[in-house]
Amino acid sequence: AQSVTQPDIHITVSEGASLELRCNYSYGATPYLFWYVQSPGQGLQLLLKYFSGDTLVQGIKGFEAEFKRSQSSFNLRKPSVHWSDAAEYFCAVGAGNTDKLIFGTGTRLQVFP
Amino acid sequence: GAVVSQHPSRVICKSGTSVKIECRSLDFQATTMFWYRQFPKQSLMLMATSNEGSKATYEQGVEKDKFLINHASLTLSTLTVTSAHPEDSSFYICSASPASGPDSVQYFGAGTRLSVL
Repeated sequence: AQSVTQPDIHITVSEGASLELRCNYSYGATPYLFWYVQSPGQGLQLLLKYFSGDTLVQGIKGFEAEFKRSQSSFNLRKPSVHWSDAAEYFCAVGAGNTDKLIFGTGTRLQVFP
Repeated sequence: GAVVSQHPSRVICKSGTSVKIECRSLDFQATTMFWYRQFPKQSLMLMATSNEGSKATYEQGVEKDKFLINHASLTLSTLTVTSAHPEDSSFYICSASPASGPDSVQYFGAGTRLSVL
């Protein structure tokens, strides 16, 4: 069965610092991978997705993610974090040949000035 | 584009009453809509998947008589929490997808916080 692991529950960075949020997945075939961001009390906004092709994916708000099949990872990165990036970040994998998404437990990002 | 509206954003009700939550896709037709439940500081748990004009498919452990889902049109799905109890208090989020298949993108509503007294 598909699963997603986000090892870091909570990350704190200074504004302007670089960021990497980890995501590992378990899936037998080529996965469909997503990163979503959730601001407090809000729904989820799609940051980026990987279906196939170039393993480095560019998203909105300056985020990017790299699919590494050998490591079963899809880590999210941003070279310089802004205070407005403070939120909860969820990695998700498409569940087989269905429409379902399997979400990780999320990483809460805190940004200090 | 791809805006999903969810209403109400917050509802407080007495134990034993029923609550209806609406999910609308504003600028696209949603082939499929999804309902999730999110507990504090936890991830989203899929409750059910609904397609327009057909019965919803519930995930294991979700009571279909408790959580009634109606997907009457390609732009509207409703979740009714029947005879709500305090343990039903949670954050409910809907999403809608304009296509089907594992590569379809889900667009999320802003969520509804339900508090049952």
